[in-house]
Amino acid sequence: DQQVKQNSPSLSVQEGRISILNCDYTNSMFDYFLWYKKYPAEGPTFLISISSIKDKNEDGRFTVFLNKSAKHLSLHIVPSQPGDSAVYFCAATHGGSQGNLIFGKGTKLSVKP
Amino acid sequence: NAGVMQNPRHLVRRRGQEARLRCSPMKGHSHVYWYRQLPEEGLKFMVYLQKENIIDESGMPKERFSAEFPKEGPSILRIQQVVRGDSAAYFCASSAGGLNTEAFFGQGTRLTVV
Repeated sequence: DQQVKQNSPSLSVQEGRISILNCDYTNSMFDYFLWYKKYPAEGPTFLISISSIKDKNEDGRFTVFLNKSAKHLSLHIVPSQPGDSAVYFCAATHGGSQGNLIFGKGTKLSVKP
Repeated sequence: NAGVMQNPRHLVRRRGQEARLRCSPMKGHSHVYWYRQLPEEGLKFMVYLQKENIIDESGMPKERFSAEFPKEGPSILRIQQVVRGDSAAYFCASSAGGLNTEAFFGQGTRLTVV
C-alpha cells in the first residue's frame, strides 16, 4: 500500500516555463514533507521541505505548497532550466518515525531548451 | 569531500556470496539510514541506526540482512547468501538527528547479483 504517490511518472516542460510536480499522501500522521532531486547514478539531493504547520515554503526558484485537507503537495519550479532535468522524489515522515522517510516513486522532469 | 561516503560504488556478487556495503556519514552526524531502490521504484526505507544502536529496522527483510553502526568506523549493511532479487541500488543517508532534520544521501552502491 503506497502511502506517498506521485502519479505522473514523467513531465516535459519548456525552458523558462513553470514546472509543477504533484504528490499525494494517505497517512494523516505525516507532518513533514520533503522533495529530493536525483540525477542518474547519484544519490538523492535534498531540495526543499515543509512542515505540516505551514502551507507554503519558498526557496529561490522552488516553492512547495501543502494542502492538508486534500493530503496533497506540489513543487513549483519557476523558471525551469535544462539543469533541472532529473527525477524528483516526494518524501514524508512523522515525528514518531524519526527519519523513516516514505518516498514516492518519482517523477522524471525533462526541461527542453 | 565532507558528504556521505559510500563504498564500493558498484559491487558484483555471485548467488550465495556475501555483500558488504559501507557508509561513512557526514562529519558530525550520528544518525544513519539505509534505503534500497529497485528499478523503476522509489526508495524504500530499510533501517535506521545511531551509534551502536538499531533504532528502527522495520524495513529490513527478516533473513539474510543485517546492519551495524559501530562506535568507530563506518556503518555496514551486510547481505548474506545473496540472491538475484537483491540486485538494487542501496543508499545510505545521515542526519544530525532530531525532528525535522534533513537527511543527506550518499551516491549509493549498485549491487548486481549474477
